[in-house]
Amino acid sequence: EVQLVESGGGLVQPGGSLRLSCAASGFTFNDHYMDWVRQAPGKGLEWVGRIRNKANSYTTEYAASVKGRFTISRDDSKNSLHLQMNSLKTEDTAVYYCVAYCSGGSCYGRSYWGQGTLVTVSS
Amino acid sequence: DIVMTQSPDSLAVSLGERATINCKSSQSVLSSSNNKNYLAWYQQKPGQPPKLLIYWASTRESGVPDRFSGSGSGTDFTLTISSLQAEDVAVFYCHQHYTIPLTFGGGTKVEIK
Repeated sequence: EVQLVESGGGLVQPGGSLRLSCAASGFTFNDHYMDWVRQAPGKGLEWVGRIRNKANSYTTEYAASVKGRFTISRDDSKNSLHLQMNSLKTEDTAVYYCVAYCSGGSCYGRSYWGQGTLVTVSS
Repeated sequence: DIVMTQSPDSLAVSLGERATINCKSSQSVLSSSNNKNYLAWYQQKPGQPPKLLIYWASTRESGVPDRFSGSGSGTDFTLTISSLQAEDVAVFYCHQHYTIPLTFGGGTKVEIK
C-alpha cells in the first residue's frame, strides 16, 4: 500500500522557518519525482516545487512565489522528502501535500498524495 | 505558465443524472514525443487530500468507478460523471503536469440538486 506521511507543520511567526518532512513507503521511491503542493484555507491547489530523481540528477524546480525562500531535498536511502521553508509569509499559510509523480515504467502518469500537514504563519 | 480554466465553477445535478466538467488549457498539454496528454483529474472531498481519478486525460485510475470518464486532447478536456451518486459530492480539479510550473484548474464544486 502506498503511503506518504507528512510531518513538521505548525504555527510559525512571519519571517520564521519551518522544515517539513514526508516519509514514503509502498512504491519505488527512486522512480518518482517528488513534489510539494499546497492549499490555502478554502482555496484551490498550488504547486510549490519539485525534485526529480537520481536518473534526472535530482534537479529542482520552484514556483515563483517561493523561489529563493524554499528548498526541496530528498534522501533516497530513507525514502524521505523535505521542504525547508525560510522567510515565511502569512500567505504561505496552507496545508502542504507531499506528492509522488511516477516518472516512467508501468506507473507512468500516476501520482500519489499524502494527507497533508498544516502550516500557519501568523504573529 | 499554462493556465487551466475550468467551467462551471459549480453545478448541481440530480442523483442518477450526468455531470459534465470542462477544462481548457492556455497551451497544448499533448506531447508530440509520446502522444500523451499530460492532464489529470482529481476529486477532493472536505478534509481529504485530492484523489486521482483520471490520468493521461482518459485513463481511469485503478479502483475508480466506471461512471467517471475523461476525454479530450490538446487544450480541451472533459470529465463526465455518467450517473451522479451521493458520494460523488466534491470539488473536482483538472491538472497539467506537462510543463513547469505545474498548474491546476480553479476547481468545480459538484452538489446534489
